[in-house]
Formats: sequence, structure tokens, C-alpha cells
Amino acid sequence: GQQLNQSPQSMFIQEGEDVSMNCTSSSIFNTWLWYKQDPGEGPVLLIALYKAGELTSNGRLTAQFGITRKDSFLNISASIPSDVGIYFCAGQLGGNKLVFGAGTILRVKS
Amino acid sequence: EAGVAQSPRYKIIEKRQSVAFWCNPISGHATLYWYQQILGQGPKLLIQFQNNGVVDDSQLPKDRFSAERLKGVDSTLKIQPAKLEDSAVYLCASSLAGFEQYFGPGTRLTVT
Repeated sequence: GQQLNQSPQSMFIQEGEDVSMNCTSSSIFNTWLWYKQDPGEGPVLLIALYKAGELTSNGRLTAQFGITRKDSFLNISASIPSDVGIYFCAGQLGGNKLVFGAGTILRVKS
Repeated sequence: EAGVAQSPRYKIIEKRQSVAFWCNPISGHATLYWYQQILGQGPKLLIQFQNNGVVDDSQLPKDRFSAERLKGVDSTLKIQPAKLEDSAVYLCASSLAGFEQYFGPGTRLTVT
């Protein structure tokens, strides 16, 4: 089946630093979504991307839909302690089915 | 606007017992999803409903898992009998037009 490869698996950064993570696949997706999950909670939608090449921002977060439609990137600028959590990318196939990556664990040192 | 509601939040059962989870989606959302999230992994779709009809249940272990959405609103997921490997968080999500799915807080199941 389809697989999404997220990298890095985890990162430990200094407060105030910028963060980059990405998601790649061998399959083409129609939509890319980025979610954040806090411990004991469900994933929360951060950004949705609908067109190849699209660049979308949500506050300090910026995400891009790769031109090949097989990858996506998420950047967080000036990280703060509440950015801690697990970030998931998800690619959407036909029929609205989502395939999730394994997540990037973000830890911020204050 | 109220989010997706799930209950219970936690459940501990012994193997071979049965368990049921309940989900109430965001009002007006026609599509409802059940996911299984094993520790350290991303959510995996179990079943997708459009109103009260099943759209995709290809990854649902039908010998032990069942789900229903009788009136096209809330839904129940059941496991009978449970196995140790069913220990996971069970997430419910809903969407309006299908593109953006909104998740509930999940039910953490521990099978001993």
C-alpha cells in the first residue's frame, strides 16, 4: 500500500530556532495535510494544501505542496515551548482516504 | 462549534472480552471515519462512512471488528473478542466536504 516517509523522526531544538520537516512518497497525492498531536489528544489540523506548488501559511507555520505531488514540507519559524508535539503529514487519495506518515516528534529546549 | 466527541476516553479489558466505542461527529458532517493509532505510528483508517453507508472498510478486521452508523449521525465501533494487539488509541474523525478531517480526542484501549 501507499507509504509516507516523514523525516526527521525526532528533533530537539532550541527555543527561537526555525524548524523544517518533510514528507515524501512514491505515490502522487491530490491533497496534503499537516496535523499536530499533543499527548492524550487527537490530531489537530494545521494546514491543508490542494494544488501542486501551493505555499500556505498559518501564523508561524508554512507548508508547501511539492511540484511532483509526491512530497510536502512544513516549516515552523521561531519555535516556542508549546510547539512540542508530534507532527503528522497525511496524503489524500481518491475517495477522501488519508494515508498518514509515522510522525516527527518535536522537542523544544527552553 | 462543538468538536468530535468520543467516549470513553480510556478502557482496560482482558483479552477475549468485548468493548465498544462511541463517536458523535461535528454537526452536519456527513462523512465519519474510525482510525486505529498504535503507539509510535500514524493513524490507520479502519472504516469510512458517508451518511449511514460504508464507503471503505478494506482495512477493518471483520472477524472481530464491527462498526455502525445507523441514523447517519453518531457511530459505534465494537471489538469482539479483543486481542492483545488491539491495544491502541481509536480515533474518530469527521469531515464536511471530504478534504479536511477533524479528529476527536480518541479512546485509549489497553488489552491485558
